[in-house]
Formats: sequence, structure tokens, C-alpha cells
Amino acid sequence: EIVMTQSPATLSVSPGERATLSCRASQSVSSNLAWCQQKPGQAPRLLIYGASTRATGIPARFSGSGSGTEFTLTISSLQSEDFAVYYCLHFNNWPRTFGQGTKLEIK
Amino acid sequence: EVQLLDSGGGLVQPGGSLRLSCAASGFTFSNCVMSWVRQAPGKGLEWASIISPSGDTTHYADSVKGRFIISRDNSKNTLYLQMNSLRAEDTAVYYCAKDSSGIPLDYWGQGTLVTVSS
Repeated sequence: EIVMTQSPATLSVSPGERATLSCRASQSVSSNLAWCQQKPGQAPRLLIYGASTRATGIPARFSGSGSGTEFTLTISSLQSEDFAVYYCLHFNNWPRTFGQGTKLEIK
Repeated sequence: EVQLLDSGGGLVQPGGSLRLSCAASGFTFSNCVMSWVRQAPGKGLEWASIISPSGDTTHYADSVKGRFIISRDNSKNTLYLQMNSLRAEDTAVYYCAKDSSGIPLDYWGQGTLVTVSS
């Protein structure tokens, strides 16, 4: 099983600033990496797949990068609605596994 | 509009069984890989199981293997999760989600809560 490790666990950022979230895989997942966003009381929502492709309807301020074992989600200018928990997920093989999440909070 | 409606959750005793359903609409269900993902209270997401479009291929997380069975009825546009030998640690919100041509989990249901307790 591939272990996905996210850092930091909590990130405090002011609105309008840039946020950078990291995800590391215990072995290569190529570009088979996705990012999901979850707000309290809601189902998760797909943001990024294929490491860098935005899902339908996702604003351009969200961008993903990386391949192999190191990945990054960047939110270029934080809006109030972006404060949430973010999860990475690999879909390279079975089982798929999620990272433990990064909580993005208002500074 | 794509819709996934999860149902079937509730309170069940340890060792008991429960069947979850996910009713799909707004897309060609029989073409899509479908998954179940769960989330224990206050915890992160855990991928549980996946099934191919035809239903002939399934995979499970180690934590549910041998106890849970994923299935689908393409004539009814419905996904199922039969959960047996339930344990307290299976308490979670269970979400169904669909894939689209290499895009994982692009739509999610609203979730259904399963509580395993005596």
C-alpha cells in the first residue's frame, strides 16, 4: 500500500496571500495524483487530477504540480471560501489511498 | 445534472450487517467506475472499495476486505455496499463517488452515516 503524507497538518494564511500545500508518496505514483477540498458538513470536491489538471469549474487560482513522489497544491490568492481541508489521493494502483489532510485556516 | 444519492445508513450493533445504496442519475452509469469512500467522525477520508463499469472487477481496502461487498445494478443505476461483521471502527459517513475516463472521484454523493454501537 502506498502511504500518502501531507504537510503541514495545519496552515494559517491571510486572505489574498498564497498557500502552498505538500503531498509526498511513499513510492512513485507517476502523475496519478488528485487533490480534493472538503468544507465542514459537505462532501469532498475534486479540484485537481493528473497532478496538474483542474477539474471542471475549478478557478484558475488553484494549481497543482509534481510527479513521482512529490506534489504541490498552490492557491495563488486565497479567498474566504478557500478555507477548508485539502486531501491528496493517489490513483496509480490498488488500493487508492488518501493523505491525512491539511487544514487551511484563516490567519 | 449529475446526482448521486446515498442512503441506507443507520445504527447497527457490532457484528451486524447493513446495505448502503447510491442512486445515480444525470450520466451514463453503466460506463463509470464507482467507489465508496468513508470518513470516521472528525477524521480524514478513507478509500474503501471500487467496482468496474460491468461489475466484474472489484477492489477493497485491507480494512474492509472479506467483510464488505461492493456491487451494482446497471439496470437500476444503483451502486451498493453490503457491510457485514460490522465493528465500532466502521462508524463513519459513507460517500459514493464516480470516476470519468481517468478522472477519479469527479462527483460525490452527500453521504450516509453508519453508526456501529451497542
